[in-house]
Amino acid sequence: KQEVTQIPAALSVPEGENLVLNCSFTDSAIYNLQWFRQDPGKGLTSLLLIQSSQREQTSGRLNASLDKSSGRSTLYIAASQPGDSATYLCAVSNAQTGANNLFFGTGTRLTVIP
Amino acid sequence: DAGVTQSPTHLIKTRGQQVTLRCSPKSGHDTVSWYQQALGQGPQFIFQYYEEEERQRGNFPDRFSGHQFPNYSSELNVNALLLGDSALYLCASSSIRRLWGDEQYFGPGTRLTVT
Repeated sequence: KQEVTQIPAALSVPEGENLVLNCSFTDSAIYNLQWFRQDPGKGLTSLLLIQSSQREQTSGRLNASLDKSSGRSTLYIAASQPGDSATYLCAVSNAQTGANNLFFGTGTRLTVIP
Repeated sequence: DAGVTQSPTHLIKTRGQQVTLRCSPKSGHDTVSWYQQALGQGPQFIFQYYEEEERQRGNFPDRFSGHQFPNYSSELNVNALLLGDSALYLCASSSIRRLWGDEQYFGPGTRLTVT
């Protein structure tokens, strides 16, 4: 069974710092990996989608990498802002069950201090 | 272009009651998946609907059932509610034509509280 772990569980940084969030998964037979942002009590906003054949994706100040063989992904946030404060969730889909069945980590709660 | 919508926003029920949650997928999407997110946890997959049939199911009891309508909207039904069913219920949509690589779009969720 696919298991997804995110470290650290919580992170607090001063505004302007660059930071890295980590995600690991136990079954490397994935189809894709998505990073999401969740504000308190709200739904999920997709940030980046990496196909299993890709190694990274970039969107603005965000860069996500994928090392499928080692079962790891990182989300890099450059020049953090207070508006980046949220919980960041990593999710993978398995080759066997497809993209519509996502396995989530428990998230990293990020606080950016002005 | 409307994204994924869910109703109601919040719901309070008593143990033993039944509840129905509703989801309308993003325009152009034909597949709906439901997730349960307990407080402080990541979402867990309940099931997926396509062509009005349940295609995949996670590790949830039969008390959880669903339906998809011809317009692709979907309902999640939970019978005999337990206190442990209290959670945020999320709906996600995608296009089956790109099943193996498509991005999942999530709705704002329905907060269910069971007392």
